[in-house]
Amino acid sequence: QSALTQPASVSGSPGQSITISCTGTSSDVGSYDLVSWYQQLPGKAPELMIYEVNKRPSGLSNRFSGSKSGNTASLTISGLQAEDEADYYCCSSAAGTIVVFGGGTKLTVL
Amino acid sequence: QVTLRESGPALVKPTQTLTLTCTFSGFSLSTSGMCVSWIRQPPGKALEWLARIDWDDDKYYNTSLKTRLTISQDTSKNQVVLTMTNMDPVDTATYYCARGGNLGWFDPWGQGTLVTVSS
Repeated sequence: QSALTQPASVSGSPGQSITISCTGTSSDVGSYDLVSWYQQLPGKAPELMIYEVNKRPSGLSNRFSGSKSGNTASLTISGLQAEDEADYYCCSSAAGTIVVFGGGTKLTVL
Repeated sequence: QVTLRESGPALVKPTQTLTLTCTFSGFSLSTSGMCVSWIRQPPGKALEWLARIDWDDDKYYNTSLKTRLTISQDTSKNQVVLTMTNMDPVDTATYYCARGGNLGWFDPWGQGTLVTVSS
């Protein structure tokens, strides 16, 4: 199980939108709608932001959205805020068995 | 409210066996569809899924670490235990337990416990 591929870093100014990509294979991202995204603030545990490609947990801001096309999933954050600065990880499960994470993307709010 | 908390040694020596306990509340692992997973994160590095145990006692492991891992549950105590044999300094990481994994998502996570492997 190889790690999913994410850009090491992305940046944006407050109010802008950014998109983080997550590329897998036809065995994981491409075959199942079991993609999730996590935000990890410095020194904290990861927090679920998106599950099953595009679903948001209750109470999460609608500024966060997810999508998928082929073997690539994406997380979009609109109306960027300083508090969004964090590491973001994607995750994919193959048929609910083996799980693989992405290498993580550091988001900097300029 | 669902909570999970990891516990175990902060320091282990190379070749030793690590035993970590995840104590949870707010849900029952006996409930159909429930599961608990272990995930680790070396300092400054990415997350790595390790293992999962389901309500029906089915178990799944990271294929690269499968020979070293054992996951088990104590339903009466609301605990999930992970053992990892033959520890090496590269296993130094923060180890998290989290609810979920069978549908590809984990929520919530415990606070994590840092395990350092050093002689």
